[in-house]
Amino acid sequence: DQQVKQNSPSLSVQEGRISILNCDYTNSMFDYFLWYKKYPAEGPTFLISISSIKDKNEDGRFTVFLNKSAKHLSLHIVPSQPGDSAVYFCAAATITGAGSYQLTFGKGTKLSVIP
Amino acid sequence: NAGVTQTPKFRILKIGQSMTLQCAQDMNHNYMYWYRQDPGMGLKLIYYSVGAGITDKGEVPNGYNVSRSTTEYFPLRLELAAPSQTSVYFCASRGAHRLDGGDEQFFGPGTRLTVL
Repeated sequence: DQQVKQNSPSLSVQEGRISILNCDYTNSMFDYFLWYKKYPAEGPTFLISISSIKDKNEDGRFTVFLNKSAKHLSLHIVPSQPGDSAVYFCAAATITGAGSYQLTFGKGTKLSVIP
Repeated sequence: NAGVTQTPKFRILKIGQSMTLQCAQDMNHNYMYWYRQDPGMGLKLIYYSVGAGITDKGEVPNGYNVSRSTTEYFPLRLELAAPSQTSVYFCASRGAHRLDGGDEQFFGPGTRLTVL
């Protein structure tokens, strides 16, 4: 049972246009959500996050939207650049009693930005 | 600044062999994590640690052991390798929790393990 779902395995977008990556979740107890980017043969790198009490967070070309009623979040990249081509993972965090938190990852969406 | 380092990068094991995956971080982070990523799947948490001497199980701990004697190092031990443990293993670390929830985990480059 996947608690975090990324239903699109891949997405192709023209350079300069908007990329929209989607993520759905089933557990309403998640505390916040994060997006990570991963290039081949490298570890994931943090991109942007959003608290469960907010509906939008923006950082430069990247904006994450959270719709709690629909249990859905999306990552918008505007404008898309060839260097954005990577696998994007949606992750949801729950805080444990020890003060740490556990991340639950989706399967990822491979974004290809075409020059 | 090295960040999170992992060794080895690649390894092939025979069924029943043992090995230790090494992980080190130089950011003085208390929290460290081990994940595995199977082909076409997301990362799954194996074990985590909230500080030296304190570890706990994640989602998929069976077949693995960890120890955390210092802040810097968090090795992952496979005692009896099985083909089901063929995967890419990532180590990560994190600093103190931030109130805005913008915490990020810093990942190492991964170890690609094949068990034959």
